[in-house]
Amino acid sequence: DAMVIQNPRYQVTQFGKPVTLSCSQTLNHNVMYWYQQKSSQAPKLLFHYYDKDFNNEADTPDNFQSRRPNTSFCFLDIRSPGLGDAAMYLCATSRGSTGGSRGGYTFGSGTRLTVV
Amino acid sequence: AQSVTQLDSHVSVSEGTPVLLRCNYSSSYSPSLFWYVQHPNKGLQLLLKYTSAATLVKGINGFEAEFKKSETSFHLTKPSAHMSDAAEYFCVVSSNSGYALNFGKGTSLLVTP
Repeated sequence: DAMVIQNPRYQVTQFGKPVTLSCSQTLNHNVMYWYQQKSSQAPKLLFHYYDKDFNNEADTPDNFQSRRPNTSFCFLDIRSPGLGDAAMYLCATSRGSTGGSRGGYTFGSGTRLTVV
Repeated sequence: AQSVTQLDSHVSVSEGTPVLLRCNYSSSYSPSLFWYVQHPNKGLQLLLKYTSAATLVKGINGFEAEFKKSETSFHLTKPSAHMSDAAEYFCVVSSNSGYALNFGKGTSLLVTP
């Protein structure tokens, strides 16, 4: 009964080759997030969707994009991966505008991206 | 702005002994605070949360934390460590909007036999 599912668990991509990471949820949460976690660092928020409204963090590089075709799915697109983009990418969900602050975040198991 | 400081980057305990992971927070309003655990190559699992109810919060796997406003602390404790507790632990505070979580740098817990 996994609730936030990320595919694949491990992804290897070539330098400069576009890559897409996938996240799906069965919680019907209206907010979905993407975090980047580099080795031995804390997760860093890239962007989030509130329903269909996209909210980018100010320091998220343009190389990172996201799509949310429906409530259940959210994708992270890296247009031209560099070596510095190698990281664990975590998807999370929450319910509504106070869902996060009330502890309603649910994280997926992450996708570890390797760039060669 | 809201932030958390985890006072120890590494903590080592023997199996069966108490665990204490320290966290101080800074917040301009009444915060929501969380502890998450991350096992190697895994996602984040919520251990417990404080959201302005009881100041002593009990979580999963025998962990608990006490919110102390006067000390701006939210330390994580467990009476008796188990080998399976070895992991990275993050203290987290929610942002004003509730959308973003502000993570501490993490504490790596090592449990020795």
